[in-house]
Amino acid sequence: KQEVTQIPAALSVPEGENLVLNCSFTDSAIYNLQWFRQDPGKGLTSLLLIQSSQREQTSGRLNASLDKSSGRSTLYIAASQPGDSATYLCAELSGGGADGLTFGKGTHLIIQP
Amino acid sequence: NAGVMQNPRHLVRRRGQEARLRCSPVKGHSHVYWYRQLPEEGLKFMVYLQKENIIDESGMPKERFSAEFPKEGPSILRIQQVVRGDSAAYFCASSPRHQETQYFGPGTRLLVL
Repeated sequence: KQEVTQIPAALSVPEGENLVLNCSFTDSAIYNLQWFRQDPGKGLTSLLLIQSSQREQTSGRLNASLDKSSGRSTLYIAASQPGDSATYLCAELSGGGADGLTFGKGTHLIIQP
Repeated sequence: NAGVMQNPRHLVRRRGQEARLRCSPVKGHSHVYWYRQLPEEGLKFMVYLQKENIIDESGMPKERFSAEFPKEGPSILRIQQVVRGDSAAYFCASSPRHQETQYFGPGTRLLVL
């Protein structure tokens, strides 16, 4: 059974700081990994997807990395803003036959103005 | 260019009633996934469908739950004889091809009284 763990569960930082969110996974046959944000009472917004053959992906102030050998991914947020406050979820898709994403429980991020 | 649409957004049912949740994927997407998010839990995969076919239902409870994705019309997740433990947010996602980025809808929040 695949597992995805996100640390920390919650994080509060002042506006303007750079920060890193961590995600670890047990699946050695990972196909891709996706980072999402979820706002309270809302759906999920896809931020970045990294294929297993890639090391990182960038979009604006966001950079996601993937290290298959250590089973880790990080989401780097540069120059954080209050609008970045949300829950960030990572999810992996296995190449080993499972058809659905396996999600972590998320990191609840608060950016203090 | 509409994203994934789900309705209703909120649904209240009494124990023993039926709940029908609808999902219209992104136009042109033929792959649909359903996930459930229980209170204080992460999202869990339930079922994966491709037009008129159930591909993987490994995450769906064996009893009372069923899903379909007809040739015409939205995908339907049906829960018969609901119980309080079914109270959760149910999310639908779609993708243009399998193992590509999944785009999520806003979810249906089911409350069973």
